[in-house]
Amino acid sequence: QSVLTQPPSVSGAPGQRVTVSCTGSSSNIGAGYDVHWYQQLPRTAPKLLIYRNTNRPSGVPGRFSASKSGTSASLAITGLQAEDEADYYCQSYDSSLRGYIFGSGAKVTVL
Amino acid sequence: QVQLQESGPGLVKPSQTLSLTCTVSGDSFSSDNYYCSWLRQPAGKGLEWIGRLYTTDGNTDYNPSLRSRATMSLDTSKNEFSLRLSSVTAADTAVYYCARARVVRGVDYGMGVWGHGTTVTVSS
Repeated sequence: QSVLTQPPSVSGAPGQRVTVSCTGSSSNIGAGYDVHWYQQLPRTAPKLLIYRNTNRPSGVPGRFSASKSGTSASLAITGLQAEDEADYYCQSYDSSLRGYIFGSGAKVTVL
Repeated sequence: QVQLQESGPGLVKPSQTLSLTCTVSGDSFSSDNYYCSWLRQPAGKGLEWIGRLYTTDGNTDYNPSLRSRATMSLDTSKNEFSLRLSSVTAADTAVYYCARARVVRGVDYGMGVWGHGTTVTVSS
């Protein structure tokens, strides 16, 4: 059971906008700890997609964006493409657990 | 370009200790401050963080569910960090990843570099 809650799956047609939510609590996201997002394509290692809530590493397409508010964060993909079909994980730090925590992962399917 | 490479036995017997090493190439630990982590992913399941080591002072943090069995260490002379997980069972079968997060003025910038992962099976 993950500390951060994500929907198991999200789907959309090519070109549409989809969002993946990540809900935490007062000991992690709500305490002000940063949220990072990772993309895991099939049979590959995860890749950092968004760091420190809203920032895209060099090379990540601009159609990926993210936000954070209160005890939650959200990843948006605008202009969904077939190559975006992957699992997406949110990650933060929890002061009670004194370590990193992950969401259970959301599988994005392009219809 | 920085690369991380996991190495270790692919098969471990139940009750034994799993030992993995992550070798960093293209960079050195002295170049900056990092959190070096181990994570794992059972087949068809999500990511589980095992623990992290702060390269500046060697301090470690572990997932509470694994704290009693996990030990991480750093060897700066070899540019590598390691994981030992004791008393393994079939539940420890997974793909194991090492990853590194850059830390600037105490701020974690996320795990920007990952190894490809190594499959570990616990079976007699």
